[in-house]
Amino acid sequence: EAGVAQSPRYKIIEKRQSVAFWCNPISGHATLYWYQQILGQGPKLLIQFQNNGVVDDSQLPKDRFSAERLKGVDSTLKIQPAKLEDSAVYLCASTSAFDPYEQYFGPGTRLTVT
Amino acid sequence: AQSVTQPDIHITVSEGASLELRCNYSYGATPYLFWYVQSPGQGLQLLLKYFSGDTLVQGIKGFEAEFKRSQSSFNLRKPSVHWSDAAEYFCAYNDYKLSFGAGTTVTVRA
Repeated sequence: EAGVAQSPRYKIIEKRQSVAFWCNPISGHATLYWYQQILGQGPKLLIQFQNNGVVDDSQLPKDRFSAERLKGVDSTLKIQPAKLEDSAVYLCASTSAFDPYEQYFGPGTRLTVT
Repeated sequence: AQSVTQPDIHITVSEGASLELRCNYSYGATPYLFWYVQSPGQGLQLLLKYFSGDTLVQGIKGFEAEFKRSQSSFNLRKPSVHWSDAAEYFCAYNDYKLSFGAGTTVTVRA
């Protein structure tokens, strides 16, 4: 079974630029999550999708972050414009309906904003 | 507010020695508790989970954890550490979403 795929693995941008991350969950997993992990901290949930609908985006900074999952499969997280404090690893995870508590994580995208 | 606390930021252990990582939770009901491991440059991998029942939970890679309601703890243990166990370990709980502690970095010395 293929795992959660993310790209790119690394990205360096200047502040005020925009950036997009892509995630492809495990096949058949209806629920998809995006997390932000700042250095030295645990991951923090940004947004949760159930199929193509948003379940929880309460911690997503909506003035600059957006996410979509148009066909209920892969997802894109965008930051526009980026700030220095957005430097972090962005993790994508997915779960199946059969075991909604076990999240499978991708390798993450490490973003550096200079 | 519900939370998990990992008191130890960094632990160094010799290869072959035992390891215990502490996790304390603050939650009214019995939470769903998890331990994840994150190796450098990798995503998080689930080591074990506790929902209910037997308070001693066995996981992958030789890890186990014990849920102690009286102490609000869910400590992770391994009897004999291997060099490949060097990683960051996260305790987490799930009420309606997964919330993580700050993590403990484990260094294994030869």
